[in-house]
Amino acid sequence: DVKVTQSSRYLVKRTGEKVFLECVQDMDHENMFWYRQDPGLGLRLIYFSYDVKMKEKGDIPEGYSVSREKKERFSLILESASTNQTSMYLCASSFGGGNTIYFGEGSWLTVV
Amino acid sequence: AQSVSQHNHHVILSEAASLELGCNYSYGGTVNLFWYVQYPGQHLQLLLKYFSGDPLVKGIKGFEAEFIKSKFSFNLRKPSVQWSDTAEYFCAVNALYSGAGSYQLTFGKGTKLSVIP
Repeated sequence: DVKVTQSSRYLVKRTGEKVFLECVQDMDHENMFWYRQDPGLGLRLIYFSYDVKMKEKGDIPEGYSVSREKKERFSLILESASTNQTSMYLCASSFGGGNTIYFGEGSWLTVV
Repeated sequence: AQSVSQHNHHVILSEAASLELGCNYSYGGTVNLFWYVQYPGQHLQLLLKYFSGDPLVKGIKGFEAEFIKSKFSFNLRKPSVQWSDTAEYFCAVNALYSGAGSYQLTFGKGTKLSVIP
């Protein structure tokens, strides 16, 4: 079974803090993704990466950055957290183009 | 860029009722299509997918979906729902074109299904 592990399930951070969300996958997938999930808005893509050190902006990249130094690990960084970034963040991975994406359990981030 | 529309935000059914959730997408080229399900407190799981071939695809737990290319639709169906089907359902589309963007899935906003015992 594919396993996508997000290091933190629940976080509470203060406005202005720098926040790191970590994700690791164990299936040697080339592609990794960060989505955020909000009620009534579905899943929106923040960034994705199709290779080590490569990154592409998704639909809502503003206020976020990412890092992929190793194939199995994809980090999402909130440079200066704001209250409108309170959300559920989902990491995912896939093999090749157009294939099934596998999701982690999600990280609930609350910014106060 | 492609977009995905799910017609119903919240559907409430009694057990044993039939289910159909609508999904339409906007992209004229080749697509891969997915339905994901998120049970309360759990992560997103693949319910079924369509890549090519028979447009009627069967997934887990008795779900099926039909791809109608002329209507840009991929509706999800189940003949008889159970209380355990209570979840949120997401339709997703991958538009196959050259470039890095072809790796991503675009999701609909989701449909919450509540099944009353």
